Amino acid sequence: AQSVTQLDSQVPVFEEAPVELRCNYSSSVSVYLFWYVQYPNQGLQLLLKYLSGSTLVESINGFEAEFNKSQTSFHLRKPSVHISDTAEYFCAVSTTSGTYKYIFGTGTRLKVLA
Amino acid sequence: NAGVTQTPKFQVLKTGQSMTLQCAQDMNHEYMSWYRQDPGMGLRLIHYSVGAGITDQGEVPNGYNVSRSTTEDFPLRLLSAAPSQTSVYFCASSSDTGSTEAFFGQGTRLTVV
Repeated sequence: AQSVTQLDSQVPVFEEAPVELRCNYSSSVSVYLFWYVQYPNQGLQLLLKYLSGSTLVESINGFEAEFNKSQTSFHLRKPSVHISDTAEYFCAVSTTSGTYKYIFGTGTRLKVLA
Repeated sequence: NAGVTQTPKFQVLKTGQSMTLQCAQDMNHEYMSWYRQDPGMGLRLIHYSVGAGITDQGEVPNGYNVSRSTTEDFPLRLLSAAPSQTSVYFCASSSDTGSTEAFFGQGTRLTVV
């Protein structure tokens, strides 16, 4: 079975400061890794994903995440956050074979302060 | 392109009532799923479907039924609502076996009193 751990339930950070949202996963099989973002009163939207190849993946709005197989981590980073980045962020895994299922972490609420 | 459409957006039920949450997608996706979102617990998978006529249980299936008679629709039925089912429900669809993006509906906020 797969599981995802997001240790930080809330992360406050000042505008223009860097941020890292942590994600660790557990799986006995190969997985794909995702970060989704949820703005208030909306559904989830894909931020970025790792399928294979380069371990560093980037989003169009400045976020990046690095897949670290040895540490089973997929931390999300941004060098300089904006007020508009305030949202809840979910890390998720799905298996590369077998039955299709996304497994989500418990989410990290990022609050950017002016 | 509507994507994934959920109805209703809000619903209040009395304990013991039944209802169906509707989910429809217009992207011809094979894979559809239902999640519930509760504070501090993230999204938990209720039921999912890998194609018309095929459904399976997720992490928290008790108290919910699903069916998939068409590719487009994947309704979630609450047979006898309980206060523990107060939650926000999300439907999602995807075109592949987990390597592609899941598209989410806007959610249904359900309160059971």
